[in-house]
Amino acid sequence: QVNLLQSGAALVKPGASVKLSCKASGYTFTDYYIHWVKQSHGKSLEWIGYINPNSGYTNYNEKFKSKATLTVDKSTNTAYMELSRLTSEDSATYYCTRRGGFDYWGQGVMVTVSS
Amino acid sequence: DVVLTQTPPTLSATIGQSVSISCRSSQSLLHSNGNTYLHWLLQRPGQSPQLLIYLVSRLESGVPNRFSGSGSGTDFTLKISGVEAEDLGVYYCVQGTHAPYTFGAGTKLELK
Repeated sequence: QVNLLQSGAALVKPGASVKLSCKASGYTFTDYYIHWVKQSHGKSLEWIGYINPNSGYTNYNEKFKSKATLTVDKSTNTAYMELSRLTSEDSATYYCTRRGGFDYWGQGVMVTVSS
Repeated sequence: DVVLTQTPPTLSATIGQSVSISCRSSQSLLHSNGNTYLHWLLQRPGQSPQLLIYLVSRLESGVPNRFSGSGSGTDFTLKISGVEAEDLGVYYCVQGTHAPYTFGAGTKLELK
C-alpha cells in the first residue's frame, strides 16, 4: 500500500532553515511527482511546488521560489523540502502529496517558528 | 493566479440529507489537451486531506459512490447523496490546469 511518511514536528528559530522529509513506499518512487502543500493554522491550502523524482526537475509556485528548495534521494525513496530564512509566516503544517491529482498524502508536519 | 470560489463556506446537514458544494473558477479549467484538472478533497478534523473526485467527475478508488462531481469550464459541483457522519469535515476544490495549482477556501460540512 502506498504510504508517504513525513518527518516529525519542528521548532525552529527565526532566520534559521529546516529540512523536511517525505519517505515514499508501496510504489515506484520515480513514477510520480511529489508535491508539497502548506496549510497555515485553520486556513486553506497553498501549493508550494513539485519535483519529478526521476529527473530532479522542479516547478515552484512563484510565491515560494525564494523560500523552498525541493530535492530527492532516489536511493532512499525520500523527497525533501528545505525552508530557508524562516519567519512567523512560515509556521504551518506542511504536507507532501503524490502527483497532480493529490491521490496520497503524508501525515503532515507542523513547523513552528519561534525564538 | 486562478481563483476558486467555493460556496457555501459552511453547510449544515442532517444524516441522510443530500447536499451540493459549488466551486467557480476565475478562468476556464479546460486544458489544451482536453482534460479539465479540477479535483475535490475532503479534510476530516485532525487529518490530512484525501482525494475524493479527480478530473471533475472520476471517483477515486475506495470512495463511496454517494459522492459525485460534475461541471465544466468554470463551474463545478460536488454532490453528496445522503450525508453520513464520516463525511463531516472541510471540502476543497483544487485546480491543476493553470500554474500555480490553487485551492478553494473550503466548505465546512457540519451536522445540523
